[in-house]
Amino acid sequence: SQTIHQWPATLVQPVGSPLSLECTVEGTSNPNLYWYRQAAGRGLQLLFYSVGIGQISSEVPQNLSASRPQDRQFILSSKKLLLSDSGFYLCAWSGASGVTGELFFGEGSRLTVL
Amino acid sequence: DAKTTQPTSMDCAEGRAANLPCNHSTISGNEYVYWYRQIHSQGPQYIIHGLKNNETNEMASLIITEDRKSSTLILPHATLRDTAVYYCISGSGYALNFGKGTSLLVTP
Repeated sequence: SQTIHQWPATLVQPVGSPLSLECTVEGTSNPNLYWYRQAAGRGLQLLFYSVGIGQISSEVPQNLSASRPQDRQFILSSKKLLLSDSGFYLCAWSGASGVTGELFFGEGSRLTVL
Repeated sequence: DAKTTQPTSMDCAEGRAANLPCNHSTISGNEYVYWYRQIHSQGPQYIIHGLKNNETNEMASLIITEDRKSSTLILPHATLRDTAVYYCISGSGYALNFGKGTSLLVTP
């Protein structure tokens, strides 16, 4: 069966510090991978998606970047965090045929920037 | 921005049917309607999706109007564990954005 893991679950970082959130998927090949952010009181916003290794599409200009060094690994990064980067970050995957079915979400990573 | 409109909150008595409405008046012909729910501090869970026809699975039923401008998610016998935020999303391809959804409270 397929599983998705992301870590760390909770992170408190000072403004200006770097960030690295990691997500891995098991039990499937060539998944589409996604990073979402949920800020307090707001809906889930799609940040990045990837259809293959090294292929990253950004939906919203921001202080963050994403990379996909391996087929089932998706990393969200920042060189210098801003207060506005605080939020609940969710990694998700879907089948290679595109989003015509289910998105499977990880447990989430809660980031607080102080 | 999300292209759907949902009520902010709803209440439902345990054991009764919960009917959650969604307006998607600008939906295109090739866009699906998806429903997810999110229990506090967890990742969203897929419920159901449809294009034109009504759909049913073990979790819920989805009723889509003939003009496809609105839909209703039906939880036939709501339980306390169905308390969650329910998201209605319309789209195709990869860029699915979730709005604020409907916060459903199931009461004893």
